[in-house]
Parts: sequence; structure tokens; C-alpha cells
Amino acid sequence: DTGVSQDPRHKITKRGQNVTFRCDPISEHNRLYWYRQTLGQGPEFLTYFQNEAQLEKSRLLSDRFSAERPKGSFSTLEIQRTEQGDSAMYLCASSLASSGYIQPQHFGDGTRLSIL
Amino acid sequence: SQQGEEDPQALSIQEGENATMNCSYKTSINNLQWYRQNSGRGLVHLILIRSNEREKHSGRLRVTLDTSKKSSSLLITASRAADTASYFCATDQTQGAQKLVFGQGTRLTINP
Repeated sequence: DTGVSQDPRHKITKRGQNVTFRCDPISEHNRLYWYRQTLGQGPEFLTYFQNEAQLEKSRLLSDRFSAERPKGSFSTLEIQRTEQGDSAMYLCASSLASSGYIQPQHFGDGTRLSIL
Repeated sequence: SQQGEEDPQALSIQEGENATMNCSYKTSINNLQWYRQNSGRGLVHLILIRSNEREKHSGRLRVTLDTSKKSSSLLITASRAADTASYFCATDQTQGAQKLVFGQGTRLTINP
């Protein structure tokens, strides 16, 4: 169990640029979640995948945001035309799926995005 | 929007004392989970309590759940400096999507 890894750990970019983050979940986990966290707040759900299917997207996820999990393994989160308000920590988590309740999630250390 | 509200927002105690954090939520749940987050790191799962459970223990952690009041508490006994972190409750709601809804967290500082 090597844990959930995220890359890069930090990203600084100018407003209007596109950015892409990667998440590698725990290998046997079929669920993968993306969250956004701003300073002093708890994580806010963005989207989740079960295997390669994207099953839920938050209203927070505007059309500038897109996420993929092409082979049911790693996932990418892309933000197009970044805005100042996109500055946050982007967290990825993975878990096993189970019927009836949500299993404990394993988090990566996040990608901190700063928009200049 | 976040469902949970945590109280207090910040707590500072001396090493060796007990720390109690509270979480309130709004809708029916399947379970409630507590997580810890050290500064600049991801969250770490601590404990899960199901809706039909009232109390659960794990090492120095004790969690209670009162579904009639829609509230939970996390007690850390004999605190250590290494317990300094933010603590979040997260609810697995019975209605809606398969996602956790996190509270705003309690920032706990243990003074040596």
C-alpha cells in the first residue's frame, strides 16, 4: 500500500492559463474522489469516479473544470482559463466501493494551486 | 455547501489534558466519520461510527453519536503535542450522492 499520490504538490500559474493535476489512487481502490479545500475550511466535494465512470459532479464544478479516469486507475483534473477564485488545495481520495455506505477514504497530500 | 458545523472552531489545551470537539449536522446519515489533517497535508481517517451505534473507541479516541440531536463528539484523552492538527467530521447522507460532506473543522493546538 503506497498510498494516494498527487502531482504536482504545488502549482503557481497566471490567471487565464490551463492547469492539470494528476492523482494516483491506492491500486485496489475502485472509487476516486476530488475535493477542493480553501484556507480554514473543510474539503468540498467536486466529483467522483467508480472505476472509469464519473458518477457525480458538484455544482461547484463549472464547465472550466473537467476530470477523467480513463482506465479506472489514475485520474486527472483540468482547470481551463484559471481565475483568482480557483486558488485552493485540490485533494484526491480513494476508497473501496460498498453498497449502503461510504467507506473510509484515503487522501493524498493535495496540489496547492496559486493563481497570480 | 457544507453540512457539518464544528464547535469550537479552535481549541488550545495543555499536553495531557483531554480535548473534546463537537459536530452537528442537518440530514439523516448512514455513518459519520472523523478525520485529522496536519498542516499542509492530506486528511487521515480516524474513526467511523454507524447510525445505529452510539459510542465507539479507538485507542485514545472516543466518538459518540446522537442521531436524535444530529450531533457527534470526538474526545481525545491524554493529549500529546503530536495531536496538534485540524479535525473534521464528515457525514455519509442517506439521501443523495455517494459523497462525504465535511464540516469546517476544529483547529486543535496542544501546548507542551
